[in-house]
Amino acid sequence: DAKTTQPPSMDCAEGRAANLPCNHSTISGNEYVYWYRQIHSQGPQYIIHGLKNNETNEMASLIITEDRKSSTLILPHATLRDTAVYYCIVRVLRTSGSARQLTFGSGTQLTVLP
Amino acid sequence: DTEVTQTPKHLVMGMTNKKSLKCEQHMGHRAMYWYKQKAKKPPELMFVYSYEKLSINESVPSRFSPECPNSSLLNLHLHALQPEDSALYLCASSQGGQGTGELFFGEGSRLTVL
Repeated sequence: DAKTTQPPSMDCAEGRAANLPCNHSTISGNEYVYWYRQIHSQGPQYIIHGLKNNETNEMASLIITEDRKSSTLILPHATLRDTAVYYCIVRVLRTSGSARQLTFGSGTQLTVLP
Repeated sequence: DTEVTQTPKHLVMGMTNKKSLKCEQHMGHRAMYWYKQKAKKPPELMFVYSYEKLSINESVPSRFSPECPNSSLLNLHLHALQPEDSALYLCASSQGGQGTGELFFGEGSRLTVL
């Protein structure tokens, strides 16, 4: 799996959009970008994933640059409950086996301020 | 039911004790995972089971012994642990096969070794 680089911490005002960047310059053509978050003392939670097109779901939007070397996770209206560590992970969607583990990097600690 | 249930939530044990952590899912997932997470660090993969067979062991010491009695259950047997094994132990499951690759995590079992 390709390596990712994220800023260690970010702050965001409540109600504003939180934009979390991720660099993955060595990503290969069959690797997807996944985002998970971990609220303090809870298990990680899946947010969104994508290959090359922008993706949106009820939690967030994922913007992937045309060269796929970086991406941005957007939380459109951050709330205090969005305070968490956000992990950007790059990995293939399917392998010959059935188990596809996640390898977590250091992530970004997002703090939403009142 | 989209939950992964882990028990116990908290466990304190001595270095000579034998204990077990349990994980259960009823989503029909065929891949299950154990991760270990130390304070302020990302989760680290320990074991992966695919279709009830151990497929990955990340060089974990033998004092940790995983078991997958059936496709819904995953155990982690603990024996002769060291204080440095104190951590949050996370269980996860995924569809496997042609699924999206999303991992569902439990809330974790917080282990303290005295």
